[in-house]
Amino acid sequence: GAVVSQHPSRVICKSGTSVKIECRSLDFQATTMFWYRQFPKQSLMLMATSNEGSKATYEQGVEKDKFLINHASLTLSTLTVTSAHPEDSSFYICSARDPFSGRGEEQFFGPGTRLTVL
Amino acid sequence: GQNIDQPTEMTATEGAIVQINCTYQTSGFNGLFWYQQHAGEAPTFLSYNVLDGLEEKGRFSSFLSRSKGYSYLLLKELQMKDSASYLCAVSDSNYQLIWGAGTKLIIKP
Repeated sequence: GAVVSQHPSRVICKSGTSVKIECRSLDFQATTMFWYRQFPKQSLMLMATSNEGSKATYEQGVEKDKFLINHASLTLSTLTVTSAHPEDSSFYICSARDPFSGRGEEQFFGPGTRLTVL
Repeated sequence: GQNIDQPTEMTATEGAIVQINCTYQTSGFNGLFWYQQHAGEAPTFLSYNVLDGLEEKGRFSSFLSRSKGYSYLLLKELQMKDSASYLCAVSDSNYQLIWGAGTKLIIKP
């Protein structure tokens, strides 16, 4: 099956610094990737849709200048949390859509990144 | 608007059977997914239904009725490791996943 990797799996940073999270589709090309955020005991919240070669589409309430998304290739999307603050501490999960999955363009999930901002 | 409804929490006994329901109202329909998510981990795929009826896969089965906007996930022979959140998600007309809030399943010995 399709595999999506995410790096790093866990990061701790100081308030005010920037953190970059990478999401890679390892065995398929993903023109569309998604970034989710999940706070404890809550469901997944879609932050943005990342399209290869074009600007990301952000969900309402998500600051595009704070959460920078770059989808430079068909296998890599990055999320940069700029000037991170403690309230940005969360579990960030990416997914990649495989248009040939045969299951409604199924999304395959990365393992997630636990961000803790001190 | 689009919405997915599923119970917040359910409790069941080890070895028993549990059914988790999901109702949905979405703009278009390109299939319904069930995912399992353990705390601190990413969701893992359980099932996909696009046609009406029952899909069986081992201890897990999933049912869909498009006319009723309804699905359920059936878990048999429950094991302690089945304690997790179960997420219902519908792929809409743009193949965007619309997520339910998830059902936390607690298995008791």
